[in-house]
Amino acid sequence: GEDVEQSLFLSVREGDSSVINCTYTDSSSTYLYWYKQEPGAGLQLLTYIFSNMDMKQDQRLTVLLNKKDKHLSLRIADTQTGDSAIYFCAESIETSGTYKYIFGTGTRLKVLA
Amino acid sequence: NAGVTQTPKFRVLKTGQSMTLLCAQDMNHEYMYWYRQDPGMGLRLIHYSVGEGTTAKGEVPDGYNVSRLKKQNFLLGLESAAPSQTSVYFCASSYGRPSDETQYFGPGTRLTVL
Repeated sequence: GEDVEQSLFLSVREGDSSVINCTYTDSSSTYLYWYKQEPGAGLQLLTYIFSNMDMKQDQRLTVLLNKKDKHLSLRIADTQTGDSAIYFCAESIETSGTYKYIFGTGTRLKVLA
Repeated sequence: NAGVTQTPKFRVLKTGQSMTLLCAQDMNHEYMYWYRQDPGMGLRLIHYSVGEGTTAKGEVPDGYNVSRLKKQNFLLGLESAAPSQTSVYFCASSYGRPSDETQYFGPGTRLTVL
């Protein structure tokens, strides 16, 4: 079945780069996403990448996709304390007119001042 | 625009009680979704709707029912609440299919079933 896995915790110092990793099992995904969830709030879409792309850059965010290894990463440059949150990767899978949207378990990023 | 709103924000139920969670969006989105979020399990899709008057089952539909009588509202019902339904529930909406469009999330409803 489909599964999306992430490490649970990551701690970095302010100003350093953060890299959050995600692996997925279903190769038929259409898009892969990164969401940010701050305490007590819903999920906010940060960025997404189409499954036939290798890399996408958006300001401080860089997404790398390795389809062969089914590995997705999110790099946050110059990490700030405001980046402390839980980060979810997700994939969308559409087959025969129905679709699923599978989320990972989330990585809690803690930024130390 | 308010975006996606959910009511109530918090609720405590006793086992066997029923309740309805309301999700409303003012973005004229066709698609709406209900997820539950449990520790260490990410978000799981309960039910979704691809337009007014339609509903479909997601990954974990058992114990829940939904209705989409108006395009802007998506209701999630628990007919007989169980402790296993203690969770945080998120509603989301999108203009089109999730493979093509961003999903916008509500702030969540924290439900505790005793």
